[in-house]
Amino acid sequence: NAGVTQTPKFQVLKTGQSMTLQCAQDMNHNSMYWYRQDPGMGLRLIYYSASEGTTDKGEVPNGYNVSRLNKREFSLRLESAAPSQTSVYFCASRGLALDEQYFGPGTRLTVT
Amino acid sequence: SQQGEEDPQALSIQEGENATMNCSYKTSINNLQWYRQNSGRGLVHLILIRSNEREKHSGRLRVTLDTSKKSSSLLITASRAADTASYFCATDYRDSNYQLIWGAGTKLIIKP
Repeated sequence: NAGVTQTPKFQVLKTGQSMTLQCAQDMNHNSMYWYRQDPGMGLRLIYYSASEGTTDKGEVPNGYNVSRLNKREFSLRLESAAPSQTSVYFCASRGLALDEQYFGPGTRLTVT
Repeated sequence: SQQGEEDPQALSIQEGENATMNCSYKTSINNLQWYRQNSGRGLVHLILIRSNEREKHSGRLRVTLDTSKKSSSLLITASRAADTASYFCATDYRDSNYQLIWGAGTKLIIKP
């Protein structure tokens, strides 16, 4: 099992460009999450999906959109990137028991 | 906003010593979880303690939970260089709607 995978690992964008971060999990988990982590800080929730077909805003949703494509995949889109979105983005998933979250390796995004 | 608070923010100890870090939270919880993050990588789940538990062990890890004080502590005994990482607590609040609320983390450095 690969667990939670994320692509790409690194990305550099210019201000105003768009991109989609991909996340997939092979653990048959219902819930999936997108976080951002800024230097020296904890995780802030951008969006989450409690189950296939549903998405909800987290603490910092502005400037982002998400799609829960199917049970396995949850993508995060930046429509018009801004320097304030420079961060490391983590995807996570959680099973039906709602215990621990499983994390992907992260995407390091720089917006210039 | 992040509702978990951790202290200390940073901790540097000699290899072989014990490391203790603390987490405080604000409202009733279902469970509290501790995660480790090695530099630049995704988070890894360490241990989960439920609201009706007071202490839990896993290898060299010991977690306590005091619901009257709304606090938890993580003790790592006989520390090793490989324990150098950031440690985060995450709380599953009763009204959290599938979310975990994260602390800002404790950066632990083990000196050889």
